[in-house]
Amino acid sequence: DAGVIQSPRHEVTEMGQEVTLRCKPISGHNSLFWYRQTMMRGLELLIYFNNNVPIDDSGMPEDRFSAKMPNASFSTLKIQPSEPRDSAVYFCASSPGQFMNTEAFFGQGTRLTVV
Amino acid sequence: GENVEQHPSTLSVQEGDSAVIKCTYSDSASNYFPWYKQELGKGPQLIIDIRSNVGEKKDQRIAVTLNKTAKHFSLHITETQPEDSAVYFCAASKGPNFGNEKLTFGTGTRLTIIP
Repeated sequence: DAGVIQSPRHEVTEMGQEVTLRCKPISGHNSLFWYRQTMMRGLELLIYFNNNVPIDDSGMPEDRFSAKMPNASFSTLKIQPSEPRDSAVYFCASSPGQFMNTEAFFGQGTRLTVV
Repeated sequence: GENVEQHPSTLSVQEGDSAVIKCTYSDSASNYFPWYKQELGKGPQLIIDIRSNVGEKKDQRIAVTLNKTAKHFSLHITETQPEDSAVYFCAASKGPNFGNEKLTFGTGTRLTIIP
């Protein structure tokens, strides 16, 4: 397996524009996580899904952020409208199963810059 | 919710010496404690983990210790090598009884190995 695949790797957009980040988890993994990493706040969990269902979205900072997982092999994180303070590296991770403390496999991340 | 504190934020060690990174957690129900290594431009990668029923775990040059009473755990790297230079994150989660595998990360330690 190629691991968790995120796209794009880099995104530069203007303030106010819509941004969509994409993630393909490892095949067979039941849980998917979206994290945001900044120098100031470190790694923050935004939302996680189990079997395509959002389980905990308490980390989503504002209504401008939304995430979907229409099927087991694809998830999106959307920011609309984007703001400069959204600039960060966004990671997607997947793990094999719920009700288990198992390893989370991270993608390479998407570096988002909002100007 | 869970709060994980990590120290030090930066650490420089001569090649061949040992490095120790310490973390404390707040939620006594946490029972899974992984350590992740993040190299420049990449996502975090699991290097070792420990569960609450074990006090120590070792994997070649890397070891982790856990003190549940004091709610702290530590990463020990012996015979450090230049390729150990990276940012290291500790994390904590609880489950499976809670049905929540959400990881709370520490703020990271930038480890530099001096040749």
